Amino acid sequence: AQKVTQAQTEISVVEKEDVTLDCVYETRDTTYYLFWYKQPPSGELVFLIRRNSFDEQNEISGRYSWNFQKSTSSFNFTITASQVVDSAVYFCALRIRSGTYKYIFGTGTRLKVLA
Amino acid sequence: DGGITQSPKYLFRKEGQNVTLSCEQNLNHDAMYWYRQDPGQGLRLIYYSQIVNDFQKGDIAEGYSVSREKKESFPLTVTSAQKNPTAFYLCASSLTSGYQETQYFGPGTRLLVL
Repeated sequence: AQKVTQAQTEISVVEKEDVTLDCVYETRDTTYYLFWYKQPPSGELVFLIRRNSFDEQNEISGRYSWNFQKSTSSFNFTITASQVVDSAVYFCALRIRSGTYKYIFGTGTRLKVLA
Repeated sequence: DGGITQSPKYLFRKEGQNVTLSCEQNLNHDAMYWYRQDPGQGLRLIYYSQIVNDFQKGDIAEGYSVSREKKESFPLTVTSAQKNPTAFYLCASSLTSGYQETQYFGPGTRLLVL
């Protein structure tokens, strides 16, 4: 069975602090995809990043960075120098390559960045 | 502009009434999905469709129905059998082949019961 765990329900930080959102996944498939989405107060989920299981390179995009480690089944997301606009709910998701086209979502982490 | 549109943004349902939520995409995606999100909760899959004229139940399909007559459209009907329909409904779409599959979401519809 596939599963995504986001153990942090809510995190509060002060602006300019760095913050890491954790994501742990479970799957027996060797080929799979991992995603991060941002859900601002408006509600629409915004795609942030996609990672293939065969590509363990970490990625940096501006203040955002992602650490993918197959050895620990984790795909963590770090925001450097957080800003108030980063306040949102962040979801991690998993899709396996075989079988159905279902995406498995974590329960989300609410990030509050205080000015 | 390519994207996913959902209408209406807000929808009010009376007791015993069926209502239909619209979802249209012009991304030429094969797969489409409906999710329900309750306040402070994650996403739960209602239905998904990988190809026209075919769809599968998700984790919470009871009280909902869908159709997929066109590639671009995947409307969701909330029937009177759904006793607690108040929620935020999100439609998504994705490709079904290649290594660039990514699910993209529409802006959502908030359904409220009068």
